[in-house]
Amino acid sequence: QKEVEQNSGPLSVPEGAIASLNCTYSDRGSQSFFWYRQYSGKSPELIMFIYSNGDKEDGRFTAQLNKASQYVSLLIRDSQPSDSATYLCAVKGSGYSTLTFGKGTMLLVSP
Amino acid sequence: DTGVSQDPRHKITKRGQNVTFRCDPISEHNRLYWYRQTLGQGPEFLTYFQNEAQLEKSRLLSDRFSAERPKGSFSTLEIQRTEQGDSAMYLCASSLGVSGNTIYFGEGSWLTVV
Repeated sequence: QKEVEQNSGPLSVPEGAIASLNCTYSDRGSQSFFWYRQYSGKSPELIMFIYSNGDKEDGRFTAQLNKASQYVSLLIRDSQPSDSATYLCAVKGSGYSTLTFGKGTMLLVSP
Repeated sequence: DTGVSQDPRHKITKRGQNVTFRCDPISEHNRLYWYRQTLGQGPEFLTYFQNEAQLEKSRLLSDRFSAERPKGSFSTLEIQRTEQGDSAMYLCASSLGVSGNTIYFGEGSWLTVV
């Protein structure tokens, strides 16, 4: 059974700090990795995706992937109170069309 | 708005009643997904369509649940004889049927069974 693990948090950081969110996955054949942001009572919103080992940057967000360690992370630089949300890690396995989600990590950014 | 559209957004029903949710995907997206999310959990996959064909169903999808996508455009998810455990947000998502393409979610339909 494919599993995606995240620390449920909350992860508390002060405004302007770097928030680091982590995710591990069990299916070694996984090919695509996604980070979604979900505000309370709202649906998941795609932040970014990564397919290859290494780092991928998009504005204040950086996704990091290490397939050997089966680990993916999301860094948020210059965190803002508006970044306070639950961050969902999702994984798409090889040959699969669907996503498996973790339970999410709640991030709280204090002013 | 050209995103994924879901209706109704909120539904309160009595236990034992049937409910139906509708999803209109992003136009030209040939893949459509249904997920369910309860409080404190990530979305759980229910089923997915490529065009009108239902290609995969989760074991979470009991025989009280049925989904259709009759013309490969909009989809419906029906829950028969609702139970309190069915209370959740039902999320529809769509994507282009190209390897690695991303999945975009609608705003969700909240179901409360009383």
